[in-house]
Amino acid sequence: GAVVSQHPSWVICKSGTSVKIECRSLDFQATTMFWYRQFPKQSLMLMATSNEGSKATYEQGVEKDKFLINHASLTLSTLTVTSAHPEDSSFYICSARPSFGTSSPYEQYFGPGTRLTVT
Amino acid sequence: AQSVSQHNHHVILSEAASLELGCNYSYGGTVNLFWYVQYPGQHLQLLLKYFSGDPLVKGIKGFEAEFIKSKFSFNLRKPSVQWSDTAEYFCAVRTTDSWGKLQFGAGTQVVVTP
Repeated sequence: GAVVSQHPSWVICKSGTSVKIECRSLDFQATTMFWYRQFPKQSLMLMATSNEGSKATYEQGVEKDKFLINHASLTLSTLTVTSAHPEDSSFYICSARPSFGTSSPYEQYFGPGTRLTVT
Repeated sequence: AQSVSQHNHHVILSEAASLELGCNYSYGGTVNLFWYVQYPGQHLQLLLKYFSGDPLVKGIKGFEAEFIKSKFSFNLRKPSVQWSDTAEYFCAVRTTDSWGKLQFGAGTQVVVTP
């Protein structure tokens, strides 16, 4: 149980285009999902916290107009990188926290990540 | 703001050697502590966690970690590593006022040679 999927696993796009990344909790409901960015050989940096049905909370320095997050259901959050540029190339990872009332609301389960390359 | 530091960025050791990875955090309040592992090409997996109680916690694959509150540390240990333990290891901290957000250390790349 507690599986989180991401789609696509990797994507290449041209500079100036937008890319949408999906994060799904497959066998549990997640009120809260988190989006991280990981540069090569570096740690995960939290970009934003996504709560179902409300606006995402972005970390300092993260452009909310560039990284659009939508958490429309308890099992799906999406990250859209708008007008992507080469410096947006990175590994994007989501995690999902089971909703309260489930067996493990304090856990976070990570998706496999999405490799974005902007040419 | 709290921070998480991992002492070693890169560790190379032979099979059967013992492993200890250091993790220190800076936060004066109550914390939840985690160690995650990321095998090559795979997603992050939880090795173990500490919320409260016995400060020595045992995780999967023979790993354990000890929470020492006075030292703000949560070091990871394994008595005898295997080649399959080659991976990146991340320490993470969650504070009670962080709305569930995890703050990760920089990670330690562990390479186990046959």
